[in-house]
Amino acid sequence: GAVVSQHPSRVICKSGTSVKIECRSLDFQATTMFWYRQFPKQSLMLMATSNEGSKATYEQGVEKDKFLINHASLTLSTLTVTSAHPEDSSFYICSARVDRGYYEQYFGPGTRLTVT
Amino acid sequence: KNQVEQSPQSLIILEGKNCTLQCNYTVSPFSNLRWYKQDTGRGPVSLTIMTFSENTKSNGRYTATLDADTKQSSLHITASQLSDSASYICVVRVAGATNKLIFGTGTLLAVQP
Repeated sequence: GAVVSQHPSRVICKSGTSVKIECRSLDFQATTMFWYRQFPKQSLMLMATSNEGSKATYEQGVEKDKFLINHASLTLSTLTVTSAHPEDSSFYICSARVDRGYYEQYFGPGTRLTVT
Repeated sequence: KNQVEQSPQSLIILEGKNCTLQCNYTVSPFSNLRWYKQDTGRGPVSLTIMTFSENTKSNGRYTATLDADTKQSSLHITASQLSDSASYICVVRVAGATNKLIFGTGTLLAVQP
């Protein structure tokens, strides 16, 4: 089956620093990738949608200058949290979509970010 | 407004017992409905996907139903195991250009020995 990986799985950083999270589709090409954020006991909240080679589309209320998304290839998307603050601490999940048929979306295992 | 509501919010059952989780949606236009299992600290994993014309779909001990007229879906888990403890999320895809996913808030299931 289709596999999406994320790296790192956990990261702790100091306030004011930047953190990059990678998302890879391992055995398929994904035209579209998504980044979600999840707070404890809540469902996934879409942050942005990215298409390979073009700028990401951000959801309302998500700061594009703070959450930089790069979708460099059909198998790699990165999310960079710039000048991280403690309130950015959360569980970040990426998803890659196959744009045909059921438009199946496969989710990565998530990255736990803790900003101290 | 496109919404997906799930009940109950949380559920505790004994190992070996069955349970049914509910999902009501107001999503239009409707494309398909998925049930996902999300273990703590992990990403969601797809259990079933159902289109408008499908009423029932099974995946091992998981059986999902869909009533497109009443816009309701259920996920039935039989002979529960400790490893079934997780959050179960109902997700509806909006048909059309956006193909957006609308997530339910999930049901947190705890299976106890």
